[in-house]
Amino acid sequence: GAVVSQHPSWVICKSGTSVKIECRSLDFQATTMFWYRQFPKQSLMLMATSNEGSKATYEQGVEKDKFLINHASLTLSTLTVTSAHPEDSSFYICSGGQGVYNEQFFGPGTRLTVL
Amino acid sequence: GIQVEQSPPDLILQEGANSTLRCNFSDSVNNLQWFHQNPWGQLINLFYIPSGTKQNGRLSATTVATERYSLLYISSSQTTDSGVYFCAVEVRDSSYKLIFGSGTRLLVRP
Repeated sequence: GAVVSQHPSWVICKSGTSVKIECRSLDFQATTMFWYRQFPKQSLMLMATSNEGSKATYEQGVEKDKFLINHASLTLSTLTVTSAHPEDSSFYICSGGQGVYNEQFFGPGTRLTVL
Repeated sequence: GIQVEQSPPDLILQEGANSTLRCNFSDSVNNLQWFHQNPWGQLINLFYIPSGTKQNGRLSATTVATERYSLLYISSSQTTDSGVYFCAVEVRDSSYKLIFGSGTRLLVRP
């Protein structure tokens, strides 16, 4: 199967700072990538869809000014949590597929803790 | 929007036992995937199965799209099967989305 990496795997930051998470497709080109958030013992919730070279599409209730998504190339998407607060602490997971309608492959996730 | 329900929510098995996990969805879907989330959080693809039956080793899956459900069978369970199993349905309208069920948390005891 296809391989997706994320960096960092975990991060601890102070309230008010910004954190950038990278998602890379290692052995395929991902025209579309997805960002999810997972709280403890809960399911994955889709945050946004990013398409290479265009603006991301955010799900209802997700603040686009707080969660900045950039998909500048076919192998890299980034999620920046701006002015992070403790309630943003969560497990963030990205996924990619080789086309919009193909099987999705997931990164290992990034655990964010905001103090 | 579409609802995806999984059952049972929790399951404890003795090593070697068999089990069936169920995924019901409330509307027609274009595709369905099963995942295993290991204790470190990594989602591992198990099956990409819009309809019919697929098998991979001790695991198999069946999707009956017309009746809006899918089943995941685990045979001869091992402790390494522990974790959370998610089904996710592919929805296409104005955009493409993968909607996840609530998951089944499986613990296999030695």
